[in-house]
Amino acid sequence: EAGVVQSPRYKIIEKKQPVAFWCNPISGHNTLYWYLQNLGQGPELLIRYENEEAVDDSQLPKDRFSAERLKGVDSTLKIQPAELGDSAVYLCASSLQETGELFFGEGSRLTVL
Amino acid sequence: AQSVAQPEDQVNVAEGNPLTVKCTYSVSGNPYLFWYVQYPNRGLQFLLKYITGDNLVKGSYGFEAEFNKSQTSFHLKKPSALVSDSALYFCAVRDQAGTALIFGKGTTLSVSS
Repeated sequence: EAGVVQSPRYKIIEKKQPVAFWCNPISGHNTLYWYLQNLGQGPELLIRYENEEAVDDSQLPKDRFSAERLKGVDSTLKIQPAELGDSAVYLCASSLQETGELFFGEGSRLTVL
Repeated sequence: AQSVAQPEDQVNVAEGNPLTVKCTYSVSGNPYLFWYVQYPNRGLQFLLKYITGDNLVKGSYGFEAEFNKSQTSFHLKKPSALVSDSALYFCAVRDQAGTALIFGKGTTLSVSS
């Protein structure tokens, strides 16, 4: 069974440029999460989807961040414009059951210069 | 609001010795508790979880954790550490089904040969 797939693995951009990250969850997993992980820190939730509905986006900085999950499968996280402080790893995860564990992708490491 | 604390930034142990990585939590109801491990430049890997039932939970790679409701703790343990266990360990909690996991800041485990 394929795991959670994220791309790109690494991205280097200059500040004020846009960037997008893509995530393909495990087949059949209805719940999808985007987490932000700063160096040496634990992951912090950005947004959670149940199918195509964003049910928890309270921590998403909506002035520059946006996300979508069309058709309730793949998801895209976008930052526009990027700032220096956005340099971090963006983790996507999916889960099957409400009480179940999350399965994480390898992450997308963003460096903003 | 739910929260999780990992009081130690780093734990050092000699190979073959037992190891403990500490975690305490705060939730309003019954906790759902998880441990994850992260190797450099990789995503998080699930180790074990406590939902209900036996307080001693066994997981992957010989790890186990003990749920202690009175002390609101969920410490990760292993009877005999391996050098390959060296990694970053995260404790996580959710307070009810269907919500996102809240992660601790992580504990770096270093096992010396």
